Amino acid sequence: SQQGEEDPQALSIQEGENATMNCSYKTSINNLQWYRQNSGRGLVHLILIRSNEREKHSGRLRVTLDTSKKSSSLLITASRAADTASYFCATDATNAGKSTFGDGTTLTVKP
Amino acid sequence: GAVVSQHPSRVICKSGTSVKIECRSLDFQATTMFWYRQFPKQSLMLMATSNEGSKATYEQGVEKDKFLINHASLTLSTLTVTSAHPEDSSFYICSARDARHEQYFGPGTRLTVT
Repeated sequence: SQQGEEDPQALSIQEGENATMNCSYKTSINNLQWYRQNSGRGLVHLILIRSNEREKHSGRLRVTLDTSKKSSSLLITASRAADTASYFCATDATNAGKSTFGDGTTLTVKP
Repeated sequence: GAVVSQHPSRVICKSGTSVKIECRSLDFQATTMFWYRQFPKQSLMLMATSNEGSKATYEQGVEKDKFLINHASLTLSTLTVTSAHPEDSSFYICSARDARHEQYFGPGTRLTVT
């Protein structure tokens, strides 16, 4: 079963606006990763955040992790039409030896 | 960053035939590789964990006799879909875990069974 749950399932915004996606999970984790997937394409790794980290930045991306709430958020600032894609979180559960994916958020950025 | 390749990227086969998909870690050794399947507009579902030198561990509901996994070396895992049927048509993605326990994904293989 999938460990991560993401919300919203779909998000539509105008170019230039910020987009926030959330991921919740159930068990203790070693790390959490965010990925982007364009329609019909493979996964693109965005950010890995470890369980002892609270926030990481990469360009226009900002990821936060709250292990007490078992949740993470991905913020994309100043969105562009090219950011249109599906975004997934993947959790590497402690002692599980494997990563499982959330259901994903489909982001549409309108030009 | 580490690179994982998959071959082929696309394959079309006839119902009843078998298809082999290769997953290679190009610049690191991976004692553990993972195989995922993704149906259209859905998330990635873990099928199995492939361990070098030992049998794969399959997730519940995944038929091990239908999806044969062989982790022949520290850089290669293969997934063979045996006696493929149209319902096996999907996007198959592998990943490899490095010594720091970070996972890197391949580009995926789109399988179409006619």
